[in-house]
Amino acid sequence: SAVISQKPSRDICQRGTSLTIQCQVDSQVTMMFWYRQQPGQSLTLIATANQGSEATYESGFVIDKFPISRPNLTFSTLTVSNMSPEDSSIYLCSVAEGPDTQYFGPGTRLTVL
Amino acid sequence: EDQVTQSPEALRLQEGESSSLNCSYTVSGLRGLFWYRQDPGKGPEFLFTLYSAGEEKEKERLKATLTKKESFLHITAPKPEDSATYLCAVRTNTGNQFYFGTGTSLTVIP
Repeated sequence: SAVISQKPSRDICQRGTSLTIQCQVDSQVTMMFWYRQQPGQSLTLIATANQGSEATYESGFVIDKFPISRPNLTFSTLTVSNMSPEDSSIYLCSVAEGPDTQYFGPGTRLTVL
Repeated sequence: EDQVTQSPEALRLQEGESSSLNCSYTVSGLRGLFWYRQDPGKGPEFLFTLYSAGEEKEKERLKATLTKKESFLHITAPKPEDSATYLCAVRTNTGNQFYFGTGTSLTVIP
């Protein structure tokens, strides 16, 4: 299975600032996903990032708030922009390996004050 | 609307006390059902994929089963290291999205 790393592992940020989260995979993958996991809640898909094309955002998430880059087949970034306390969450990247299996990174725990 | 519901929300077991976790789903067309284990502060770890009713998968003390409406994760003679949150997810025949349940937090007491 793919090995996925994320940076930073955690951060505490001030309201109104932005944070960029990096996701690195040890093999080339076509599809990468970004999820949010709020305390006590399920994983919610933010967007799907395919290399060479614009990210596809799910309902309730917009590019201005969560811009995503996917410069190559092993790397992606998610930026959380103009943060508010409601953005405090764990952000997870994942990759699809084969048609039906997803593997997840360790997550980035974000706290917004 | 596609939906995944897990029960119970939390479960405490004595070491060696077998039990089952439930995942009920309502989807327009099931492509696959997935079980993950998540430890505190970590990302979900893939356990199983089930595709059709009647299918079963096993890994150590865990066995996952699937019917047309639900899946069970059976834990046989659990150990304290089995303590984690277990997540269920489904993928439909349309689109790339995985729909996750809110998980069952399992605590196994020595």
